[in-house]
Amino acid sequence: DAGVIQSPRHEVTEMGQEVTLRCKPISGHDYLFWYRQTMMRGLELLIYFNNNVPIDDSGMPEDRFSAKMPNASFSTLKIQPSEPRDSAVYFCASSLTTGNTEAFFGQGTRLTVV
Amino acid sequence: GESVGLHLPTLSVQEGDNSIINCAYSNSASDYFIWYKQESGKGPQFIIDIRSNMDKRQGQRVTVLLNKTVKHLSLQIAATQPGDSAVYFCAENLLTQFYFGTGTSLTVIP
Repeated sequence: DAGVIQSPRHEVTEMGQEVTLRCKPISGHDYLFWYRQTMMRGLELLIYFNNNVPIDDSGMPEDRFSAKMPNASFSTLKIQPSEPRDSAVYFCASSLTTGNTEAFFGQGTRLTVV
Repeated sequence: GESVGLHLPTLSVQEGDNSIINCAYSNSASDYFIWYKQESGKGPQFIIDIRSNMDKRQGQRVTVLLNKTVKHLSLQIAATQPGDSAVYFCAENLLTQFYFGTGTSLTVIP
């Protein structure tokens, strides 16, 4: 398996534009996590899914953020409209059903909103 | 006002020396812990894990110690190498969620 795959690796967009980040988890993993990493706040959990169903989205900062998982092999994190303070590295991670197993991280998407 | 970023704890060690990185976790109900390594421009990578029914676990050149009494984790790296330079995070698992510490930046001096 190629691991967790995120796209794009880098995104630069203008304030007010819609941004969509994509993630393909490791096949067979039932949990998918979206994290945001900034110098100010470190690594923050935004939302996670179990079997494609959102379980906890309490970390999503505002209504401008939304996440979907239409099937077991694909998830998106959308920001609409984007703002400069959304600039960060966004990571997707996945883990197996059993719960107490490691989460595997993708390479991240570095988002810059100007 | 001026924004202040996280002040990452830093550790500098000579190549070949042993490194010890410490972490305090939050929740006494957490039952699984992981150490991750994050190199510049990459996602966190798994190093070693430990379950709450253990107090020590060893891997290749790494050892994790868990003290549940004081909610403390440590990562020991033996014979530290330049490739070990990175930010190290501890993560606690509670109800299938992973909560990460702020990280420690390790620099290995050749």
